[in-house]
Amino acid sequence: DQQVKQNSPSLSVQEGRISILNCDYTNSMFDYFLWYKKYPAEGPTFLISISSIKDKNEDGRFTVFLNKSAKHLSLHIVPSQPGDSAVYFCAAYYGGSQGNLIFGKGTKLSVKP
Amino acid sequence: SQTIHQWPATLVQPVGSPLSLECTVEGTSNPNLYWYRQAAGRGLQLLFYSVGIGQISSEVPQNLSASRPQDRQFILSSKKLLLSDSGFYLCAWSPGLAGTDTQYFGPGTRLTVL
Repeated sequence: DQQVKQNSPSLSVQEGRISILNCDYTNSMFDYFLWYKKYPAEGPTFLISISSIKDKNEDGRFTVFLNKSAKHLSLHIVPSQPGDSAVYFCAAYYGGSQGNLIFGKGTKLSVKP
Repeated sequence: SQTIHQWPATLVQPVGSPLSLECTVEGTSNPNLYWYRQAAGRGLQLLFYSVGIGQISSEVPQNLSASRPQDRQFILSSKKLLLSDSGFYLCAWSPGLAGTDTQYFGPGTRLTVL
């Protein structure tokens, strides 16, 4: 059973517009969520995170929103740039999991010039 | 600052041959260490994690094993590779503190089993 779901395998956005990547989770024990960005043949790089005590965290062009009642989080990229084209992984964690992050399958974002 | 290294970067091995992938972390002590595999269309699958020297937890039964001979060294091994072992293998570390546990990934090893 997949605990972290990214239902859109791909997303295409025009440069300068907003990119919205979505993630749903099923385990209500999760209390910390992260987004990673991954280029082909490279390891994922940490992008932004949010604790379950917050509903929004912003870092430059990247904002993560958390809706605990819906068990849903989203990553907003504004404005989108061609260099943002990558696979984005949502991940979730809870204190009892000994640091085990549960990853979604990823969404491939393509930002077109 | 902390850095994480993996080698080799790419590897092509015949079925039935052994495997040894190495991961080392610099600039930190007592990290948690992780091995993941990314297979096509399957996201990131946690294979092993370790909270200390000699301590290994396996998440998925498989043809692979892991060892942690030193605090900042994590090794992924196999005695006999299978075709299904092909994939992109990622090592990661985290500070090992309670609470938030951001993981930081190495550059990965692309393994092709023929």
